[in-house]
Amino acid sequence: DGGITQSPKYLFRKEGQNVTLSCEQNLNHDAMYWYRQDPGQGLRLIYYSQIVNDFQKGDIAEGYSVSREKKESFPLTVTSAQKNPTAFYLCASTPLAGRPGGYTFGSGTRLTVV
Amino acid sequence: AQTVTQSQPEMSVQEAETVTLSCTYDTSESDYYLFWYKQPPSRQMILVIRQEAYKQQNATENRFSVNFQKAAKSFSLKISDSQLGDAAMYFCAYSSLGDTDKLIFGTGTRLQVFP
Repeated sequence: DGGITQSPKYLFRKEGQNVTLSCEQNLNHDAMYWYRQDPGQGLRLIYYSQIVNDFQKGDIAEGYSVSREKKESFPLTVTSAQKNPTAFYLCASTPLAGRPGGYTFGSGTRLTVV
Repeated sequence: AQTVTQSQPEMSVQEAETVTLSCTYDTSESDYYLFWYKQPPSRQMILVIRQEAYKQQNATENRFSVNFQKAAKSFSLKISDSQLGDAAMYFCAYSSLGDTDKLIFGTGTRLQVFP
């Protein structure tokens, strides 16, 4: 079945460490997105990419980095510069045709700083 | 900047009854899209319904329908014949026509369904 796979489901990070969250899709979607979800808040856009080797900052990109070397993959690195990284992270994808709103979401990664 | 407001942090409904979730938004654009997403305990976001602003007819998907009031910038979701599986967080979201890479979300409404 086609879909988006996020791994790991739970991730623990020590202070000062960089961690990378994985997002893989087999839907042949062109665009991919990373959102952050905090309690009591909606989802906020971190980064997005429409094509391979190109990506744009969203509303809260500081302290995060991404890469898009393959169409299927869009990993997110949470760097030590991100002061409050504990949150739930959702990856999404959509074909360029038929937007907007045809987003498919992964099941998320919960990141906790210990 | 566009904003989306959901003023009901929590709602509850009895099974088989009808419930309406409220959403208001602010924008200066005339063409845009509005969405309702459902986030069950599994945390995976699921698209419930979509409305194009240029369409006057309210969107409907089975037991889910919207009341789109463009002048009032209101976009409520009605769930008819509520089922236990409808229990979830519901998010209203906005996307402008020219900047469809960004979905702007409200803060969500937690819906509880009682048997």
